[in-house]
Amino acid sequence: QQQVKQSPQSLIVQKGGISIINCAYENTAFDYFPWYQQFPGKGPALLIAIRPDVSEKKEGRFTISFNKSAKQFSLHIMDSQPGDSATYFCAASIGETGNQFYFGTGTSLTVIP
Amino acid sequence: NAGVTQTPKFQVLKTGQSMTLQCAQDMNHEYMSWYRQDPGMGLRLIHYSVGAGITDQGEVPNGYNVSRSTTEDFPLRLLSAAPSQTSVYFCASRRVNEQYFGPGTRLTVT
Repeated sequence: QQQVKQSPQSLIVQKGGISIINCAYENTAFDYFPWYQQFPGKGPALLIAIRPDVSEKKEGRFTISFNKSAKQFSLHIMDSQPGDSATYFCAASIGETGNQFYFGTGTSLTVIP
Repeated sequence: NAGVTQTPKFQVLKTGQSMTLQCAQDMNHEYMSWYRQDPGMGLRLIHYSVGAGITDQGEVPNGYNVSRSTTEDFPLRLLSAAPSQTSVYFCASRRVNEQYFGPGTRLTVT
């Protein structure tokens, strides 16, 4: 049973466009929601994370939007660049130091020049 | 700092063989974990450790053993490999909330 559901599976965006990836969860005990970026042949790397006490967090071109009542959160990549082409995973845990992180199934993003 | 290192990068096993995937970190992190990554499944936690001598099971522990004798090392043992264990395996270590992943081991079981 997937604890965190992620969509879409793949996404193609023109350079300069906005990429949006969505995740949903059921366990209301989750209170830490990170996003990871993974390039081919590499391990995932933390991109940005949010806690449910805020509705939005922005770091450069990357923004997380969080809707606690809907139990959904999303990653927005503004001004998408070819270098952003990668697989993105959302995740959830109970606490920042929670022992178990549950990952979404991943979104393969391709940014066309 | 080398960060999180994993060996080997690639491995092919026959069904029933055993092997150990090595993981080491030089960041003095207490928390370490093993994930497997399968197409369409994301990353799933196999085992984790919150410090030397302490390990626990994750989502998919069956067929795998771990031990943590030092802070630096966290090997993953496959006792009797099965084709269902064909996957990419990632080791990670963590300081507070940020997990650092190794480069992965691609394992094929025939």
